Amino acid sequence: QKEVEQDPGPLSVPEGAIVSLNCTYSNSAFQYFMWYRQYSRKGPELLMYTYSSGNKEDGRFTAQVDKSSKYISLFIRDSQPSDSATYLCAMSAVGGGNKLTFGTGTQLKVEL
Amino acid sequence: KAGVTQTPRYLIKTRGQQVTLSCSPISGHRSVSWYQQTPGQGLQFLFEYFSETQRNKGNFPGRFSGRQFSNSRSEMNVSTLELGDSALYLCASSLASSTENEKLFFGSGTQLSVL
Repeated sequence: QKEVEQDPGPLSVPEGAIVSLNCTYSNSAFQYFMWYRQYSRKGPELLMYTYSSGNKEDGRFTAQVDKSSKYISLFIRDSQPSDSATYLCAMSAVGGGNKLTFGTGTQLKVEL
Repeated sequence: KAGVTQTPRYLIKTRGQQVTLSCSPISGHRSVSWYQQTPGQGLQFLFEYFSETQRNKGNFPGRFSGRQFSNSRSEMNVSTLELGDSALYLCASSLASSTENEKLFFGSGTQLSVL
């Protein structure tokens, strides 16, 4: 069983929809939680960065961390065709430096 | 400010050869990490360098090695290439103001194909 599980999709939604992306994890040592967006033939781009539990909002994006359930989420409001990409969750433990454990990524397509 | 720069962008090698990939971090960033991305395994951590020292290592064979120079630029080397080494190799940099996790900024990667 992988340390981080993520539904690979693909997920297809109409423009303007609210998108919910999720990851579950098994390692209780994870304290840092990130969401990256990756376009085809590009490197991952950091979208959201959270330490420990709670919510964080940045524009149309909201990240939630529920450590008791070992579950993290990314919500995208008013989705746009430019949001079409692969979304990767990533996590790191305290003292782990920049050693991130990634989910496999969810492919999202926002259609006109 | 320029982002993380990786060269070359594409590389084709044959089994048994060795390869060296290069990474220039964002100016002022002192930590460089390397990741391998494949369709089957996703993104996997290779190693992290800070102040020319490897401070973290993933679960890859010894054929994978790296180094960091005094200007923070980094190289990774793969010797005795195998077909399974075909992947996108990503470099990421961070400020490294502490030993804790920081925001990582990725380059566009080097696409390695082993024939």
